[in-house]
Amino acid sequence: AQKITQTQPGMFVQEKEAVTLDCTYDTSDQSYGLFWYKQPSSGEMIFLIYQGSYDEQNATEGRYSLNFQKARKSANLVISASQLGDSAMYFCAMREGRGNTPLVFGKGTRLSVIA
Amino acid sequence: SAVISQKPSRDICQRGTSLTIQCQVDSQVTMMFWYRQQPGQSLTLIATANQGSEATYESGFVIDKFPISRPNLTFSTLTVSNMSPEDSSIYLCSGGQGETNEKLFFGSGTQLSVL
Repeated sequence: AQKITQTQPGMFVQEKEAVTLDCTYDTSDQSYGLFWYKQPSSGEMIFLIYQGSYDEQNATEGRYSLNFQKARKSANLVISASQLGDSAMYFCAMREGRGNTPLVFGKGTRLSVIA
Repeated sequence: SAVISQKPSRDICQRGTSLTIQCQVDSQVTMMFWYRQQPGQSLTLIATANQGSEATYESGFVIDKFPISRPNLTFSTLTVSNMSPEDSSIYLCSGGQGETNEKLFFGSGTQLSVL
């Protein structure tokens, strides 16, 4: 079974509008972390936001916020006031357990911002 | 946050040759992870590198094909050996710090094309 599921292969959003990218996860660990990364066409992975499983408040980083619904095992990324530079691939990832464990990635969502 | 310098950023190689990718971190990190991203795909973990011990490889990846070195807590290399066109991918290194779930940052990636 997939540990990270991103059901939207591609999304379009109008410039200055908000957009939500979906992510659901599957784990039996009580301690885990959820991550979102942006990958532009250059190929680098840019860290956007992190949510720990014990964090009670949703994480926010500037225009990015993570809508964390633990019971539903979802960790959707919300981008407010979209900009043309937001056009990229977006990956949701999870790190299970405590300690230095690797990330498991979803298949990604390609976001296109339209002027 | 750790800054990870990865080189080369891209290379075009001939079939049967080998390429070594280097990652230098600006601070000590306990674990480093090497990922492969095949064209149009998500990231797949190749191996986990801990200083002073042999790397731990994921299913489908072997040491003879992807030897890894981790001579100290700030440096690691991945070699792609006896390359074939199927090895054409983006290769990324990632570093982790601390004992708990913390943010993982990536090098800028190496875009490898094998002719």
